[in-house]
Amino acid sequence: DQQVKQNSPSLSVQEGRISILNCDYTNSMFDYFLWYKKYPAEGPTFLISISSIKDKNEDGRFTVFLNKSAKHLSLHIVPSQPGDSAVYFCAASGGAQKLVFGQGTRLTINP
Amino acid sequence: GAGVSQSPSNKVTEKGKDVELRCDPISGHTALYWYRQSLGQGLEFLIYFQGNSAPDKSGLPSDRFSAERTGGSVSTLTIQRTQQEDSAVYLCASSTYGANVLTFGAGSRLTVL
Repeated sequence: DQQVKQNSPSLSVQEGRISILNCDYTNSMFDYFLWYKKYPAEGPTFLISISSIKDKNEDGRFTVFLNKSAKHLSLHIVPSQPGDSAVYFCAASGGAQKLVFGQGTRLTINP
Repeated sequence: GAGVSQSPSNKVTEKGKDVELRCDPISGHTALYWYRQSLGQGLEFLIYFQGNSAPDKSGLPSDRFSAERTGGSVSTLTIQRTQQEDSAVYLCASSTYGANVLTFGAGSRLTVL
C-alpha cells in the first residue's frame, strides 16, 4: 500500500527554467509534508516542509504547494540550477512521527 | 557528533551470513530511525526508537531483522541469514523529540552475493 506516490521517476529541465516535482498521498491523517534531496552516496537532506494548515511555503528558490482536497503537493524550483540535479523524495507524517516516503524523482538540470 | 554516523559504509557478504550495521546519532537526539532503499525504490521504513519507549518495529520485513539501541544512543541493525533481496542501502536518521525533520546518515550499502 503506497501511501505516498511520486509518479514521475525522472524529470529533465533546462537550466534557468522552472522544475515542478509532484507528489500524491492517500492517507488523510497526514498533517506534515517534507521534501528531501539526495545526491549519490549521500544520505537524504531536508529541503523544505509544509504543515497541513498552510497551502504554500517558500524558501528562496524553493516553494512547496499543498492541495489538501486533492491530496497533492508539489515542489517548484525556480530558476533551476545544475546543482539541483539530484533525487527528490516527498515524505509525509501524521502524529506518529514515522515519515512515509515516496519512490523519488530523479531531476536532471541540463545546461 | 556533528552528524549521523553509520558504519560500515559498504558491506559485501555471502548469502546466509549475519551482518551488523551501526548507527551513531546526533548527540541529544532522542529519536532514531532505520530506513532502507532498495535499487530503484523509495525509502522503506524499518524501525523507530523514541527515548525509553518500546520501539515501533512495524516496518521490519521478517524476523531475520532486529535492532537495538543501547543507552539511548548508538543503534545496531542486525540481519541474520542474509538473502540476496536484503541488498540495499540502509539509512539511519535521528531527530529531537517531536520533530518532523530527520537528519540522515550517509547509509550503509549492503550487497549479498
